[in-house]
Formats: sequence, structure tokens, C-alpha cells
Amino acid sequence: GAVVSQHPSRFICKSGTSVKIECRSLDFQATTMFWYRQFPKQSLMLMATSNEGSKATYEQGVEKDKFLINHASLTLSTLTVTSAHPEDSSFYICSARDAESPFGNNEKLFFGSGTQLSVL
Amino acid sequence: DAKTTQPPSMDCAEGRAANLPCNHSTISGNEYVYWYRQIHSQGPQYIIHGLKNNETNEMASLIITEDRKSSTLILPHATLRDTAVYYCIVRYNTNAGKSTFGDGTTLTVKP
Repeated sequence: GAVVSQHPSRFICKSGTSVKIECRSLDFQATTMFWYRQFPKQSLMLMATSNEGSKATYEQGVEKDKFLINHASLTLSTLTVTSAHPEDSSFYICSARDAESPFGNNEKLFFGSGTQLSVL
Repeated sequence: DAKTTQPPSMDCAEGRAANLPCNHSTISGNEYVYWYRQIHSQGPQYIIHGLKNNETNEMASLIITEDRKSSTLILPHATLRDTAVYYCIVRYNTNAGKSTFGDGTTLTVKP
């Protein structure tokens, strides 16, 4: 099956640090990738949709200037948490849809392994 | 996307079948039922999906009622590694990214 690689798996930093998380589709092209955050014992919350070659689409309540998304190629999207603070500590997950997947019966999402961000 | 209702938790004995229910009474005709699971501290994993007919793959079986208002995910021989949160999602097939992950069912497989 398709593989999505996400790095780093864990990051600990001081308050005020900017953190970049990478999400790569390893064996397929992904014109669209998605970013989620998940707090302990809660479900995934969609933050934004990352579109290759264009601006990301953010969900309501998600700060665009705080969470910078870049999708410069068909296999790579990055999420940068700018000037991270303790309240940004969370589990961040990316997912991708196979661009070659035919519409109608195969819109499966493939997820990265997640990044546990801890801001001290 | 249609809302789903799942029990918050279930237990299952190792080696037995795990049957996870999902109610989606407001599902529309073109919405699919997808199941994902999330093992602790990992990203979710796709399990199976279907529209009307029952589906089976190497991981699980999906049974959808005739009126499509509910479904059951069946893990035929649960192992300890199947302990995870299982999410039932109902959505249009062309809207993958907008999948709404509810609270899911925490399945605990016990020896």
C-alpha cells in the first residue's frame, strides 16, 4: 500500500522556537495533503488542506500565520509551527490522497506516523 | 457528511471475532462508509470501505445493513495488536480530506 513518511516523529523545543514538520508521499504523487492535530484522548481535528502549487486552505479557527503550510512538490508538504508556545504542544498528523486514485471508489487516505510536539 | 455514532469502548478476547458497530442513520445515497483505526501514538490506518454491499479484505469484513443506516466492522480473529481506536466515517467519495473523525471506539483485545 501507499506510504506516507512524516518527520520528525518527536520534537521538544523551547517556547518561541519555530518547528518544521515534513510529510512525504513515498511511492505515489499527492496533489493534496491534509494536516491534523490531536490532543490527548481526543479525536483528529483537520487543520488545513495543502494543495500542490497553490495556497493552503485552512479550517475555521486555525491561524494561517501561526501554521505555515508549503506544498512545493507532488510528494512533499511541510507544516511550520511558528514561534511555538506550550499550548501548541500536540500530536500533528498528515495524510495524503493518491493523485492517481480514480474518483468514485478509492478515495482512501494514507496517514503519516505523526509528530509529537512538546513546547516547554 | 453524515454523522456517526459508535460505542466509546469495547473489549474482545484474543482469538475471538471483534464486532464493532456504527450507526449512521442520516447517511445519503452517495455516501460511503469508511473505517480507519489508530493505534496509540501512531497515525490512522485505512481498514476498509463500502457503499451498499458487504466487503471483505485481508484485514476485516464490513457488513452494511440493507437500509444503510448502520454497519459493523468485523475483525475475524482479534489479536493483541488490534487494540486501537476504530473510527467509522461516512462521506462522499470525492471528499476524502473532509473526513470527520468522531470519537471512535476504543477496542481492547485481552489475552
